[in-house]
Amino acid sequence: EAGVTQFPSHSVIEKGQTVTLRCDPISGHDNLYWYRRVMGKEIKFLLHFVKESKQDESGMPNNRFLAERTGGTYSTLKVQPAELEDSGVYFCASSQDLEGRANTEAFFGQGTRLTVV
Amino acid sequence: GQSLEQPSEVTAVEGAIVQINCTYQTSGFYGLSWYQQHDGGAPTFLSYNALDGLEETGRFSSFLSRSDSYGYLLLQELQMKDSASYFCAVRDQASAGNMLTFGGGTRLMVKP
Repeated sequence: EAGVTQFPSHSVIEKGQTVTLRCDPISGHDNLYWYRRVMGKEIKFLLHFVKESKQDESGMPNNRFLAERTGGTYSTLKVQPAELEDSGVYFCASSQDLEGRANTEAFFGQGTRLTVV
Repeated sequence: GQSLEQPSEVTAVEGAIVQINCTYQTSGFYGLSWYQQHDGGAPTFLSYNALDGLEETGRFSSFLSRSDSYGYLLLQELQMKDSASYFCAVRDQASAGNMLTFGGGTRLMVKP
């Protein structure tokens, strides 16, 4: 079974440019999460999809960040325009939804390392 | 708000036992998870505690005390491959999305 995959693994862009990160969750997982780790600090929640709907986007830092999950399959996270402080590792995770109960295990992708110069 | 505290770095020798502590302050609490991350890799699930007590999985054990808002990860018979970062994370019961709030991570270095 394929795990959570993210693309690209690395991205270096200039300040002001646009970058789109992609996440393919594990097939059948309705829950999809985006997290970010900046400068070796804690991994911070960005947002949560249930299928194609945004369940919680309280962690999105500002309106330069836009996440979509059309069709409830893969998700994209666009940063436009990118700023220096957006540099970090962006992780995607997915989990099953067990009859409305929380699943204890979330499966993470390897992350996209974004560097804004 | 939510906050989790764990040591930033721990060093131990092969074959030893190490305990990584985690204290948390959360508005709601559903359970404490532990994740392992090797450099450049994906965080991988290690354990989950919803109730007080010790959960054992091979060389790794995790403990939770809800009354003390405290947990720890215990790694026994350390191997070089255990060198990694270890994150504790709280699942917030108040959140319908069951998202995780992570600690800053503990970097474990295992030496020969």
